[in-house]
Parts: sequence; structure tokens; C-alpha cells
Amino acid sequence: NAGVTQTPKFRILKIGQSMTLQCTQDMNHNYMYWYRQDPGMGLKLIYYSVGAGITDKGEVPNGYNVSRSTTEDFPLRLELAAPSQTSVYFCASSYDSSGGSEQYFGPGTRLTVT
Amino acid sequence: GQNIDQPTEMTATEGAIVQINCTYQTSGFNGLFWYQQHAGEAPTFLSYNVLDGLEEKGRFSSFLSRSKGYSYLLLKELQMKDSASYLCAVVDSNYQLIWGAGTKLIIKP
Repeated sequence: NAGVTQTPKFRILKIGQSMTLQCTQDMNHNYMYWYRQDPGMGLKLIYYSVGAGITDKGEVPNGYNVSRSTTEDFPLRLELAAPSQTSVYFCASSYDSSGGSEQYFGPGTRLTVT
Repeated sequence: GQNIDQPTEMTATEGAIVQINCTYQTSGFNGLFWYQQHAGEAPTFLSYNVLDGLEEKGRFSSFLSRSKGYSYLLLKELQMKDSASYLCAVVDSNYQLIWGAGTKLIIKP
């Protein structure tokens, strides 16, 4: 199993550009998550999904959109990129949302907006 | 509000023991995770506690006191490869993970 994969690994965007961060998992997990991690800060939840066709906002959703058309894929869309979106983005998945269900993380996408 | 506190940075010597503390104030509690994150890499699961007490897993142990809103991660027989950030995360009443900022552990020979 590849686990959770993300593309691209690195990206530089200009202010106002848009892009999609790809995330795929092959563990048949129902739950998927997008986080951002800024230096010296904890992971912040952007969006999450409890299954195909169902998504919900996390703590910091502004400036982002998601979709979940299949169990495997959970892309994150950035519209009109801003410097405040410079961060490392992690996608994660878990079997369910019960307290003990650990999250498996992808390798991350390092995004710089200039 | 929800808050998780961990020391920003700790230094320890190879072969020694180190304890990384985590205190939390969250809306509800459904368990506490510890993750390890090497620089430039993704977090990986270390431990999960939901009941009070100590969980031991090889060189790593994790302790929880729900009444005190407190947990610690104990690392024994430190190795250079243990140099990493250690993230504490609490499962709140909505089953969302609330993350601490992480503790950067530096191991010196």
C-alpha cells in the first residue's frame, strides 16, 4: 500500500493564481482531512470529509475549497492565492472518527505565495 | 477556547531519558495522541491514551491524567534518530483533533 500520497511536493504561486493540491489514499478510509502547518504553530484543520460526497469546514476554511467524489481522492483547491496561504499542507486519512482512530499523513506540499 | 501547551524546545543527551509534557484545556475529551515529526516530514503516530495511566511501547511511554488535563511522553535510551518534534493532540467533543505547536527535541552526543 502507498498509504496517503500528495502532489505536488513543492509549488511557488504568484498572488492571485489558483491551484489544486492532490491527495489520494489507498487504505479505503472513510475520513480524510486537510491541514496546514505554519512554523511554530500546531496543525490547523482546513476541511474534512466523512465519506464520498460529504465535506465540512474545519477551523481555517477561508480561501480554500474541497470536493470528495470518490473514497480515494480529496483535492484541495486554492482560489486567488494570497501570501497568508504560504504554508505546508498535509492531507491525512483515518478509518473513522472514533477517539482512537489514528490519522495517517501524506508527505506534504510546501507552498509559497509571492 | 481550546488550548494545548507544550514546551517549545528541549535538549537531552544520547542514552538519557527525557519527559515531554503536554497540558490541555479543550471542549470535551475523547483521547490524546502523540505524534513524531522529523524535520521536513509528515507526522507519524506514536501513542494514544484515553484512560488515566501509563501506556508503554518499547522505549516510548505515554501518561495521561484526565483530572489534571495533563499528559507526558517519556523517551528512554535516547538515540540520535529521536531528534524530532513531538506533537500532542487532543480529540475534542466533536471528535476533531486539536493540535499543540509541538516540542522540538534536540539530542546531543
